[in-house]
Amino acid sequence: DIQMTQSPSTLSASVGDRVTITCRASQSISSWLAWYQQKPGKAPKLLISKASSLESGVPSRLSGSESGTEFTLTISSLQPDDFATYYCQQYSLYPWTFGQGTKVEIK
Amino acid sequence: EVQLVESGGGLVQPGGSLRLSCTASGLTVSSNHMNWVRQAPGRGLEWVSVLQSDTYTYYADSVKGRFVISRDNSKNTLYLQMNSLRVEDTAVYYCARVAVHSSGWIPNDYWGQGTLVIVSS
Repeated sequence: DIQMTQSPSTLSASVGDRVTITCRASQSISSWLAWYQQKPGKAPKLLISKASSLESGVPSRLSGSESGTEFTLTISSLQPDDFATYYCQQYSLYPWTFGQGTKVEIK
Repeated sequence: EVQLVESGGGLVQPGGSLRLSCTASGLTVSSNHMNWVRQAPGRGLEWVSVLQSDTYTYYADSVKGRFVISRDNSKNTLYLQMNSLRVEDTAVYYCARVAVHSSGWIPNDYWGQGTLVIVSS
């Protein structure tokens, strides 16, 4: 199975900060990587697919990038609505696998 | 508007069975790849199973041989039959759609609200 190693597990930041979350795949997944945002008690929300393709309605302050098997979610200027937990997921090969999650907290 | 509504969760004893349903509106289940994702209390997301539009199915190792994914086209509903349930199957179970385009797949663009399964004696 492909392992997705996501870091950090927790991130404390302030409104306006630039934040970066990283996900590393244990083998090549091409660009088949998605990012989700989840708020307490809610279903996850798809933010980005194919490593860098922003879903409709997702603010442009969010972006995704890749370098080999390392993938990055960047929020250029953190807003109050961005405090949540973020997950990466590879969908290159079954079984699909998620990263462990990154909780973005208010500093 | 697309809506996915899960039902069928509840409290069940270890070794018991439960069938979850995911009824769709605004999309046709049989024309889409559909999957189940679960989340144990306070934990991360875990992919469970997929039923592709071509009827191909795949399961996570943790549920293989115990869970069966299926659909009823006449009811536009996806199912997850869960047998030999274990305490570690306790989770919120979500169904979600995988969009298939010529340029590639988009996983889990629509989600249901989830249904809670508790396995406990």
